Amino acid sequence: EVQLLESGGGLVQPGGSLRLSCAASGFTFTTYAMTWVRQTPGKGLEYVSSINNGGGSTYYADSVKGRFTISRDNAKNTLYLQMNSLRVEDTGVYYCAQYIAAACCWGQGTLVTVSS
Amino acid sequence: DVVMTQSPLSLPVTLGQPASISCRSSEGLVHTDGKTYLNWFHQRPGQSPRRLIYMVSNRDSGVPDRFSGSGSGTDFTLKISRVEAEDAGVYYCMQGTRTWTFGQGTRVEIK
Repeated sequence: EVQLLESGGGLVQPGGSLRLSCAASGFTFTTYAMTWVRQTPGKGLEYVSSINNGGGSTYYADSVKGRFTISRDNAKNTLYLQMNSLRVEDTGVYYCAQYIAAACCWGQGTLVTVSS
Repeated sequence: DVVMTQSPLSLPVTLGQPASISCRSSEGLVHTDGKTYLNWFHQRPGQSPRRLIYMVSNRDSGVPDRFSGSGSGTDFTLKISRVEAEDAGVYYCMQGTRTWTFGQGTRVEIK
C-alpha cells in the first residue's frame, strides 16, 4: 500500500523559511516523479512543484518560483520542499503525491501557517 | 495552464435523490498516450482529498457504484445516483494530462 507522510509544517512569520519532508513507502520511490500540491483559503487546490524520478528535473508554479526548492533523496525515500521568503498567501495544507496523470496517491498533508 | 471550471459550486441534495456535478476544461484533455486524465476527488472536513474516479469513468476500489463519471473533450460529469449521508463534502475535478490543475470544488450538502 502506498503511504506518504508529510512533516515539517508549522507557524512561521512572513519572510521566514520552512522545510517540508515527505516520507514514502509501499512503492518503488525511484520509479516515480513526485509533486507538492497545496490547498489554500485563497486559491483552493494548487500545483506547487514537481521533480522527476532521478531528481535532475524540477518544475515550479509561477507563484513559488525563486522562493521554493523541491528535492528528493532516493536513498531515504524522501521528498523535500524548502520554502523561503514565505508570504501570508502561502498559508495552507501542503500535500505530497506521486506525480502521475491519474493522481492516485496523496499524503495526509502538513499545515503551514504564515502569520506575524 | 488548463483552467477547470465546476458547476454548481454548492449543491443541496435530499437523501436518496440524484446529484450531478459538471466540470469543464479550457482545452481538450487527451494525453499523448491517447488517454484522458480527468479525475474526481472527494474531500471531507479535516481529511485529504480521496480519489473516486480516474480517467473520466473508472471507479477506484471501494467506491460505491452509485458514483459514475462520464464525458469527453472538454465536458465532464460526476453523478451520484442516490445520495447518502456519507457523500457530503467537497468534490473536485482535476486534470492530470498536463501540469495538474483543479476545479474550484463543489460543496454537496445533505438537506
